Amino acid sequence: AQTVTQSQPEMSVQEAETVTLSCTYDTSESDYYLFWYKQPPSRQMILVIRQEAYKQQNATENRFSVNFQKAAKSFSLKISDSQLGDAAMYFCAYRSTYSGTYKYIFGTGTRLKVLA
Amino acid sequence: DAGVTQSPTHLIKTRGQQVTLRCSPKSGHDTVSWYQQALGQGPQFIFQYYEEEERQRGNFPDRFSGHQFPNYSSELNVNALLLGDSALYLCASSLDEQFFGPGTRLTVL
Repeated sequence: AQTVTQSQPEMSVQEAETVTLSCTYDTSESDYYLFWYKQPPSRQMILVIRQEAYKQQNATENRFSVNFQKAAKSFSLKISDSQLGDAAMYFCAYRSTYSGTYKYIFGTGTRLKVLA
Repeated sequence: DAGVTQSPTHLIKTRGQQVTLRCSPKSGHDTVSWYQQALGQGPQFIFQYYEEEERQRGNFPDRFSGHQFPNYSSELNVNALLLGDSALYLCASSLDEQFFGPGTRLTVL
């Protein structure tokens, strides 16, 4: 069974600085999707970035980028030029591409605090 | 586009009661998934509905059941509530990418 581990319960970053959130996962599959979701205090989960395992190029969305290391089963999120609005819980998630498998598997989350 | 909506926002029940939570998917989405998020934890997959059928189920007891209607909206039913069922219940709809609703906070006393 697949697992997702986020070993940093909480991180802090100064406004305008860069922070990296870590995520590792375990799977025997060769093709899958990885995601980072943001959950602000309003509770609504928002997709930040998505990576397809067969793509070697790291995904980027504006200030958000990932470092995808398939062999190491590592998927970290880098937030550049941190803003106060980035403060939230961040969840790493895994989804198989195998037919008949639709569930997302989430880590336990990292709370990001942004200091003014 | 209203996005994924859920009702009610909050709910308080007592042990042994039954509860029904509702979800309306994002326009054009035909698939609805339900997740349970306990305090301080990540969401746990309960089940997914597609074409009015349960397509995949997570590791939850039969007390958790659901339904999808022809308009793709969905209900989550929980019977014989336990204190441990207190959580945020998230609905997500999808065609490909999953979009989440704001959740229903269920408190069981």
